[in-house]
Amino acid sequence: DQQVKQNSPSLSVQEGRISILNCDYTNSMFDYFLWYKKYPAEGPTFLISISSIKDKNEDGRFTVFLNKSAKHLSLHIVPSQPGDSAVYFCAANSGNTPLVFGKGTRLSVIA
Amino acid sequence: NAGVMQNPRHLVRRRGQEARLRCSPMKGHSHVYWYRQLPEEGLKFMVYLQKENIIDESGMPKERFSAEFPKEGPSILRIQQVVRGDSAAYFCASSRDREADTQYFGPGTRLTVL
Repeated sequence: DQQVKQNSPSLSVQEGRISILNCDYTNSMFDYFLWYKKYPAEGPTFLISISSIKDKNEDGRFTVFLNKSAKHLSLHIVPSQPGDSAVYFCAANSGNTPLVFGKGTRLSVIA
Repeated sequence: NAGVMQNPRHLVRRRGQEARLRCSPMKGHSHVYWYRQLPEEGLKFMVYLQKENIIDESGMPKERFSAEFPKEGPSILRIQQVVRGDSAAYFCASSRDREADTQYFGPGTRLTVL
């Protein structure tokens, strides 16, 4: 049973446009959510996080939105750049429980 | 470079041999986590350690796998009598506080079992 789901394995976006990556979760106890970016042959790099007391967190070109009632979060990247091409993982946990990761979405930003 | 260090980056073992993966956390971090990633899968939690203590090993296979984080030196993930199914990327992460839970990852060790 997957507690964190990223239903789109891949996404292609034109350079300069908005990239929207989606993530759904089933565990209502999750209260902390993170996005990681991963390039081939490298470890995941922390991108942005949000706690359940917020519904939006912004950092430069990256914004994470949390909809608790829908158990859904999304990562918006605008404007998208070719260097953003990577696999993006959504992760979540609650309190002292381990992080649970989705399977990732491969973003390709086309110049 | 104050990042999480892992070595070796690549490790090849024959079936039945032992694999030892090492992880040095970021400076100032005393919480270490090990994850395994199979092809086309997300990262799966294996074990969480603090210095000299295993806090949560709920993701560790019951046999052949062990982990330690001694008072001095890196954390070690040890896999005895490796099998082909152990082939995967193993990532280590560290954090300053468990409550903060922003974990920073190392580059990973890619284990190939022949």
